[in-house]
Amino acid sequence: DAGITQSPRHKVTETGTPVTLRCHQTENHRYMYWYRQDPGHGLRLIHYSYGVKDTDKGEVSDGYSVSRSKTEDFLLTLESATSSQTSVYFCAISVQGATDTQYFGPGTRLTVL
Amino acid sequence: QKEVEQDPGPLSVPEGAIVSLNCTYSNSAFQYFMWYRQYSRKGPELLMYTYSSGNKEDGRFTAQVDKSSKYISLFIRDSQPSDSATYLCAMSANSGNTPLVFGKGTRLSVIA
Repeated sequence: DAGITQSPRHKVTETGTPVTLRCHQTENHRYMYWYRQDPGHGLRLIHYSYGVKDTDKGEVSDGYSVSRSKTEDFLLTLESATSSQTSVYFCAISVQGATDTQYFGPGTRLTVL
Repeated sequence: QKEVEQDPGPLSVPEGAIVSLNCTYSNSAFQYFMWYRQYSRKGPELLMYTYSSGNKEDGRFTAQVDKSSKYISLFIRDSQPSDSATYLCAMSANSGNTPLVFGKGTRLSVIA
């Protein structure tokens, strides 16, 4: 357990509504990531952050924005949700150490109707 | 061609079998290779981590990397029903701070 929580864990929303997902970590790791996981596509990077207010786009960033005003929180916002954004969203942190790789949160299951 | 190719399965084996899971990749810059295990409705958990070529063993699990062939493998010995999960390979060119590129995952079922 890398001390990552995600909220909400499940959400159902309607097309066109804004949605914000939260990732919270307890250990002050600098790098944080948002991925989405879909059948047939695997895990794909949406956005990542390498520090407070420092973010960059990933492979599938269209329709998503992120913010990081504190080290411990990384927010993912769908400004106007679409059905194609129905997915499972995972937050990850990068931990420096023996393995120096990424650890994942429990996920948020989002359904856009 | 995707950067990382992984047979999605599903793969079904009897308890006690040796399981071989594989990924191929196209980017010769990849140096860091990982295997994650993901149980249903859970987040991926790191199983094995390897830098560059060679083998790494951890209990019943062995990870192999052949950079000349751009091929990585995960072997599971004496497979157990508790090994039933989706196995994801992942890789990157730099250290863990670099976003990972994932395979699509192979779903494994170990039948008692």
